[in-house]
Amino acid sequence: NAGVTQTPKFQVLKTGQSMTLQCAQDMNHNSMYWYRQDPGMGLRLIYYSASEGTTDKGEVPNGYNVSRLNKREFSLRLESAAPSQTSVYFCASKITSLANTIYFGEGSWLTVV
Amino acid sequence: QKEVEQDPGPLSVPEGAIVSLNCTYSNSAFQYFMWYRQYSRKGPELLMYTYSSGNKEDGRFTAQVDKSSKYISLFIRDSQPSDSATYLCAMSGEHSGYALNFGKGTSLLVTP
Repeated sequence: NAGVTQTPKFQVLKTGQSMTLQCAQDMNHNSMYWYRQDPGMGLRLIYYSASEGTTDKGEVPNGYNVSRLNKREFSLRLESAAPSQTSVYFCASKITSLANTIYFGEGSWLTVV
Repeated sequence: QKEVEQDPGPLSVPEGAIVSLNCTYSNSAFQYFMWYRQYSRKGPELLMYTYSSGNKEDGRFTAQVDKSSKYISLFIRDSQPSDSATYLCAMSGEHSGYALNFGKGTSLLVTP
């Protein structure tokens, strides 16, 4: 029973490099989310996809792009990484956008040097 | 001003103590209130969920919502070292498309 699976778990990037964080859920959820968590800042929403085929910006979307590849998968791309994007990234899903129970992945630790 | 405010702590208590964790919020449109627990290097997991005002109890945990004061609380009775974690409050409402707004989290340490 995997739930929400994120890859990679750890990554070190150089400034200006690009990379994609992958997320997949096996719970047949419609809504998927990307959050970042920084010390003293809590969880902040980057982008979300309320349903397959739609994506919307959250609180901190600058520097990121997303793709809802299909119902299961929601990827987050950093086109030109910056040190300010050093953070822990969490993917999450809900059965629908109206639901209140959200399930999180284990997190991806990203360091940009 | 952030919509959801939560004291980051850290909070250190002896085993067996009653723990009180709190959040305040500014938008009266929030309808659903949740508490998540996050262990170190793990994703948050849902602990308690309440709708509107009132109390909800689950074992050693009690969640309270006071919408008139825009204040929510989580009480942990007979705290255990295994309760040591970061506790995040979260809330949502129709006004924000039910996207969850999180507090910054309170770090709790229960010492044996």
